[in-house]
Amino acid sequence: DSGVTQTPKHLITATGQRVTLRCSPRSGDLSVYWYQQSLDQGLQFLIQYYNGEERAKGNILERFSAQQFPDLHSELNLSSLELGDSALYFCASSLTSGGTGELFFGEGSRLTVL
Amino acid sequence: QKEVEQDPGPLSVPEGAIVSLNCTYSNSAFQYFMWYRQYSRKGPELLMYTYSSGNKEDGRFTAQVDKSSKYISLFIRDSQPSDSATYLCAMSRAGNNRKLIWGLGTSLAVNP
Repeated sequence: DSGVTQTPKHLITATGQRVTLRCSPRSGDLSVYWYQQSLDQGLQFLIQYYNGEERAKGNILERFSAQQFPDLHSELNLSSLELGDSALYFCASSLTSGGTGELFFGEGSRLTVL
Repeated sequence: QKEVEQDPGPLSVPEGAIVSLNCTYSNSAFQYFMWYRQYSRKGPELLMYTYSSGNKEDGRFTAQVDKSSKYISLFIRDSQPSDSATYLCAMSRAGNNRKLIWGLGTSLAVNP
């Protein structure tokens, strides 16, 4: 158990809809990262927050947004969903912003868009 | 060309075999090299971490970095069925906000 909690584990929705994925980082970790994983693209970095502030942005679509709350949990909002958004979405946390690269991953939220 | 290339496999070996997993990269600025293991339906977990060049050993696992060739390897000795997973390499530059660049992952099956 990594200590990172993600909900929901599975989500099935229709095109055009909006969903919110939630992540609670490990106790004491200040950084939260969101990743998208698909078979053909691998693990794609979306966005990082550190202590409530956006720290780095990756390949995140404009239809997607995220935030980190004062209690350090984070939410990833996906809107106007398309079939291609079907993927595993992982949250990871780490103690620091830069760090040594040791990220602790949750078990992921599997999104299926029909 | 991707910054990090990793053969996706799948790789299938008998129990007890020595497994070699590899990644190549193009950015000579990478200084931190990691191997993550991902079991089916789980998140990746850090397996090995190496800074700059050289070898690092941890039990049955050995990580090697050859910066001159821009090549990293993970060796698994006496492979076990429990090693069956996807292995992802990841690397980053030095400095603050070290963005990790990931390989696609190699799927490994160790057959009893």
